[in-house]
Amino acid sequence: QTVVTQEPSFSVSPGGTVTLTCGLSSGSVSTNYYPSWYQQTPGQAPRTLIYSTNTHSSGVPDRFSGSILGNKAALTITGAQADDESDYYCVLYMGSGIWVFGGGTKLTVL
Amino acid sequence: QLQLQESGPGLVKPSETLSLTCTVSGGSISSSNYFWGWIRQPPGKGLEWIASIYYSGSTYYKPSLKSRVTISVDTSKNQFSLKLSSVTAADTAVYYCARVATAAGYCSSTSCHIDYWGQGTLVTVSS
Repeated sequence: QTVVTQEPSFSVSPGGTVTLTCGLSSGSVSTNYYPSWYQQTPGQAPRTLIYSTNTHSSGVPDRFSGSILGNKAALTITGAQADDESDYYCVLYMGSGIWVFGGGTKLTVL
Repeated sequence: QLQLQESGPGLVKPSETLSLTCTVSGGSISSSNYFWGWIRQPPGKGLEWIASIYYSGSTYYKPSLKSRVTISVDTSKNQFSLKLSSVTAADTAVYYCARVATAAGYCSSTSCHIDYWGQGTLVTVSS
């Protein structure tokens, strides 16, 4: 079974830029996997940030952006703020009505 | 504004069947543009997609859970449900229901993502 991979943790300084990635244990991520990104703070339901690789969900600040970098999907946060400290999950569409979450990245802003 | 609300027992005994229902308000579950899904999150761990259903009744399951999971939809009640059989402590998790946006049931450059989430409900498997 294909595993969706993410960095377990990442750290960024306030005002800095960080890029989180989403890969496959076998193969490359392309737009055909329609990568989406979700932000989750403790005790809360996830919030949709980016979908179909690089489309912003309603109300999401422009400092969040999505792309394909090499063979992975990527979420870039530009000008990180303290309240960006969260868990971030990517989801890839595998076809046939099946979506798979990555393991998530815990982002620390300090 | 669309709302999804999970309901069901918060405590299930090992080997029994976990049953949850998601009630959708503020929109129709019968729209051809959406799948409806269940996602879970064990305490302190990541999110896991369990199953999806299209309004027509077509179902899709995570392969490793397929033998134990049933997802169904009741369009007359605007609800969809999850049943997970033979539960163990490993099934203890917060269970979320969600709406998955598509374009007439197909992923496209404009939609293939969860656009609405329920608040989640904790289900504990314990005797």
